[in-house]
Amino acid sequence: NAGVTQTPKFRILKIGQSMTLQCTQDMNHNYMYWYRQDPGMGLKLIYYSVGAGITDKGEVPNGYNVSRSTTEDFPLRLELAAPSQTSVYFCASNDRANYGYTFGSGTRLTVV
Amino acid sequence: AQSVTQPDIHITVSEGASLELRCNYSYGATPYLFWYVQSPGQGLQLLLKYFSGDTLVQGIKGFEAEFKRSQSSFNLRKPSVHWSDAAEYFCAVGPPGDDKIIFGKGTRLHILP
Repeated sequence: NAGVTQTPKFRILKIGQSMTLQCTQDMNHNYMYWYRQDPGMGLKLIYYSVGAGITDKGEVPNGYNVSRSTTEDFPLRLELAAPSQTSVYFCASNDRANYGYTFGSGTRLTVV
Repeated sequence: AQSVTQPDIHITVSEGASLELRCNYSYGATPYLFWYVQSPGQGLQLLLKYFSGDTLVQGIKGFEAEFKRSQSSFNLRKPSVHWSDAAEYFCAVGPPGDDKIIFGKGTRLHILP
């Protein structure tokens, strides 16, 4: 049972480039989340989804987009990368709201 | 709006000593409460959670936490720490009925040999 899988683990982008961070879970969880983690700032919610076809903004959605076409996948898209998006990104899933998340191992993104 | 405060950014304890990490929350009712641990380069792992009932909650790795409604606190404790407990610890709050939880800024635990 793989849990939550994130790819890639590391990536360096140039300013203005785009990329998609992949997140897949094999636990049939309806709820999925994207967080970013910056030193000393904890985790900030970017986007979340309560089921296939349903997404909503979190605390810091600007500069990002998401889609949820299947229960398993919840990709995060950066269209025009900016240095402020340098961060560690975590995907998480949950089988019911507020019952504890399962996290992926993260993607470390650097924008130069 | 709900919020979570972890007053200590860094804590250093000696191996074998007891540990208490503080967490305070702001919410009108009793929320769901969580503690997570993050080892270097890893994702977050759930240590324990509180929804209702017994205010002393047991978790994995020998950790426990006590919910105190009067103090709006949910402090994490361990009677004797091991070097492998060095990590960052996050308290989180999940208002019942909401779809997402809010994390504190974390407390980094250092262990002296």
